[in-house]
Amino acid sequence: EAAVTQSPRNKVAVTGGKVTLSCNQTNNHNNMYWYRQDTGHGLRLIHYSYGAGSTEKGDIPDGYKASRPSQENFSLILELATPSQTSVYFCASGEVVEQFFGPGTRLTVL
Amino acid sequence: QQKVQQSPESLIVPEGGMASLNCTSSDRNVDYFWWYRQHSGKSPKMLMSIFSNGEKEEGRFTVHLNKASLHTSLHIRDSQPSDSALYLCAASMGYKLTFGTGTSLLVDP
Repeated sequence: EAAVTQSPRNKVAVTGGKVTLSCNQTNNHNNMYWYRQDTGHGLRLIHYSYGAGSTEKGDIPDGYKASRPSQENFSLILELATPSQTSVYFCASGEVVEQFFGPGTRLTVL
Repeated sequence: QQKVQQSPESLIVPEGGMASLNCTSSDRNVDYFWWYRQHSGKSPKMLMSIFSNGEKEEGRFTVHLNKASLHTSLHIRDSQPSDSALYLCAASMGYKLTFGTGTSLLVDP
């Protein structure tokens, strides 16, 4: 089965601080995704990538940047974290037929 | 921006009963519909996908799709307590998925 890992699993940040969430996949999938999950909103797409060096804006990109330095790694960067970015963040990789999700990162911004 | 609506928001069924979940997309350019299951504190995992009109069955799970109305439904027969979870419907256009807000299913033993 596809293996997607995320780090850290839990993070507490201060308002205005910089936060980097990391994702690694070992399945050689071209496409990788970052979502956030909040009660009442389901999973919402923040950024995605078609391959190394590419990033695309998803449905809610404001306040987030993404970086895809290699096929395996995809990072989500919050340059100036705000309390509204408190959420659970999921990374996923996959192709047309299926997306495989990582275990999630719980981020709290105080 | 495409919207994916799911109903009901929550559902309680007795063990052994039938659970029926609904999902509709607002965008006619949808390629596939997906159903994911997410147990509490875990990540979503794909249950089934469907892209052509009709029905698809895998074990206790059956998915229906009506492309004309952009409506899909998931039916779980002989529901088990282990089926208690959040069920997420998603619609894809190309490589991008749009998720609904989910139906929370509780199977009462």
